[in-house]
Amino acid sequence: EPEVTQTPSHQVTQMGQEVILRCVPISNHLYFYWYRQILGQKVEFLVSFYNNEISEKSEIFDDQFSVERPDGSNFTLKIRSTKLEDSAMYFCASTLGRSYNEQFFGPGTRLTVL
Amino acid sequence: RKEVEQDPGPFNVPEGATVAFNCTYSNSASQSFFWYRQDCRKEPKLLMSVYSSGNEDGRFTAQLNRASQYISLLIRDSKLSDSATYLCVVNEDNAGNMLTFGGGTRLMVKP
Repeated sequence: EPEVTQTPSHQVTQMGQEVILRCVPISNHLYFYWYRQILGQKVEFLVSFYNNEISEKSEIFDDQFSVERPDGSNFTLKIRSTKLEDSAMYFCASTLGRSYNEQFFGPGTRLTVL
Repeated sequence: RKEVEQDPGPFNVPEGATVAFNCTYSNSASQSFFWYRQDCRKEPKLLMSVYSSGNEDGRFTAQLNRASQYISLLIRDSKLSDSATYLCVVNEDNAGNMLTFGGGTRLMVKP
């Protein structure tokens, strides 16, 4: 069964450092997403990406964040200068179409900012 | 602000019990609704979509009441393996196709 993969599974970084979280969505999917979940809190939408551009972003997704699809398979989330409050689980998701289609989630990257 | 509200629980039930979870959502324009399951420190996984006519998948039944902006999930004959957090999820059907998650209801099924 096809699945979304994410690397690394755990990333530890110092405050102020840049991190890149990587995702490989399901191959024929067209819509890509990043969500985050701070420990003990709700899953929160960060950004959606379609046709090589951002479709929507939340207020969390400020200038420190960027996304890219550098080739036909990878989808990355970059945080330029990490803060302590960026510590969370980051989930990538993908879906074939809109609204009624299931969003398939990757296993997540746990980001710890020290 | 778009919100999805759930009772956090935990619901502690014995094996074989029937348990029901409820959820309310604030955005009346929302078009599609889901229940996801999340195990501890894992990714959310789709349990079932929720349709206006109600739908059933084995021991799981989901209902949607658009007028009240209310979604429910019923689990019959609970198994130990049903222990997890159940997330009520709404697709806002906006340009970004974003999902809004409830905080989840934790279920613990005991022998």
